[in-house]
Amino acid sequence: AQSVAQPEDQVNVAEGNPLTVKCTYSVSGNPYLFWYVQYPNRGLQFLLKYITGDNLVKGSYGFEAEFNKSQTSFHLKKPSALVSDSALYFCAVRDSTDKLIFGTGTRLQVFP
Amino acid sequence: GAVVSQHPSWVICKSGTSVKIECRSLDFQATTMFWYRQFPKQSLMLMATSNEGSKATYEQGVEKDKFLINHASLTLSTLTVTSAHPEDSSFYICSATTNSYQPQHFGDGTRLSIL
Repeated sequence: AQSVAQPEDQVNVAEGNPLTVKCTYSVSGNPYLFWYVQYPNRGLQFLLKYITGDNLVKGSYGFEAEFNKSQTSFHLKKPSALVSDSALYFCAVRDSTDKLIFGTGTRLQVFP
Repeated sequence: GAVVSQHPSWVICKSGTSVKIECRSLDFQATTMFWYRQFPKQSLMLMATSNEGSKATYEQGVEKDKFLINHASLTLSTLTVTSAHPEDSSFYICSATTNSYQPQHFGDGTRLSIL
């Protein structure tokens, strides 16, 4: 069965420093992977996706993610964090029935 | 582009009331819409998948008579929580997509509080 793991409940980073939010997946077949961000009392906003092609995917708001097949990872990254990036981040994989399977979420806190 | 509007954003009502939540895709036609429930500090739990013009497919453990879903057009799906009780209080979020290779686009959610 497809699954997604986000091993960190929270990530703290200082503004201006690079950030990484980790995600590993387990799928049968080719993975279709997504990152979403959720601000308080809001729905999810799409950041980026990996379907096929380049392993480095660039998305919204300066975020990018690197697909690593050997490590079954899809970590979210940003070279320079902003305080406004503080939010809840979800990694997701599309399963064989076209549904999204979400990770448990990682809260990113960027300190000034 | 790809805007999903969800209404209302907040509902407070008495136990036993039925509550309808609307989910509209404003600038695209959504062949598939999804309804999720999110508990505090938890991930999203898929409740059901709805395709335009057909019956919704409910996830295991979700009562279809309790959570009525209608997907009457390519731009509108509704979730009705029938005879709501305090345990139904939650954050409900809809999403819509044109096909499974495209991202799901989410509404801003509805916070339902049953007194």
